Amino acid sequence: EPEVTQTPSHQVTQMGQEVILRCVPISNHLYFYWYRQILGQKVEFLVSFYNNEISEKSEIFDDQFSVERPDGSNFTLKIRSTKLEDSAMYFCASSVLGTVNTGELFFGEGSRLTVL
Amino acid sequence: AQKVTQAQTEISVVEKEDVTLDCVYETRDTTYYLFWYKQPPSGELVFLIRRNSFDEQNEISGRYSWNFQKSTSSFNFTITASQVVDSAVYFCALSARPRGGGADGLTFGKGTHLIIQP
Repeated sequence: EPEVTQTPSHQVTQMGQEVILRCVPISNHLYFYWYRQILGQKVEFLVSFYNNEISEKSEIFDDQFSVERPDGSNFTLKIRSTKLEDSAMYFCASSVLGTVNTGELFFGEGSRLTVL
Repeated sequence: AQKVTQAQTEISVVEKEDVTLDCVYETRDTTYYLFWYKQPPSGELVFLIRRNSFDEQNEISGRYSWNFQKSTSSFNFTITASQVVDSAVYFCALSARPRGGGADGLTFGKGTHLIIQP
């Protein structure tokens, strides 16, 4: 069964360092997303991406964050200068159509980021 | 603005009991979609169901059932004859058609931690 894969599963970094989280969405999906979940809290929407550009972003997704689809398969989230409060589980998700059309987001298993 | 409220932070029941997880939502949009996701201890998010705002028909899938009531803005989830493997955090989520018409994000509730004791 096709799945969304994320790497790394866990990354520890020093405050101020740049981090890139990688995702390989399901191959025929067109919409891509990043969500984050601070430990023990709710899942929060960061950004959606369609047709090689950001479709929507939340207020969390400030200038420190960027997304990219550098090739036909990867979808990356970059945090330019990490802060302690960026420590969270980051989930990548993809869907064939946007959630208003098809509804089912397929989530990856997450990348845990720990900022020291 | 959209909001999803899951008032039950944690529920603990004994195996084989029925349990209902509550979800109340707020949105100004007339077209919206409601979801339930399961997050087992391993951490991944597993899709359970999607329901659109025009379809108030309740749904049953095995031991799972969902009760959507627009009049009370609720989308409750019931597990019948619960099992230990049902132990997880369950999230209710809402999606509405974005203003720009593009891909939108889900607004999640805070989740309900369900503990099924043997």
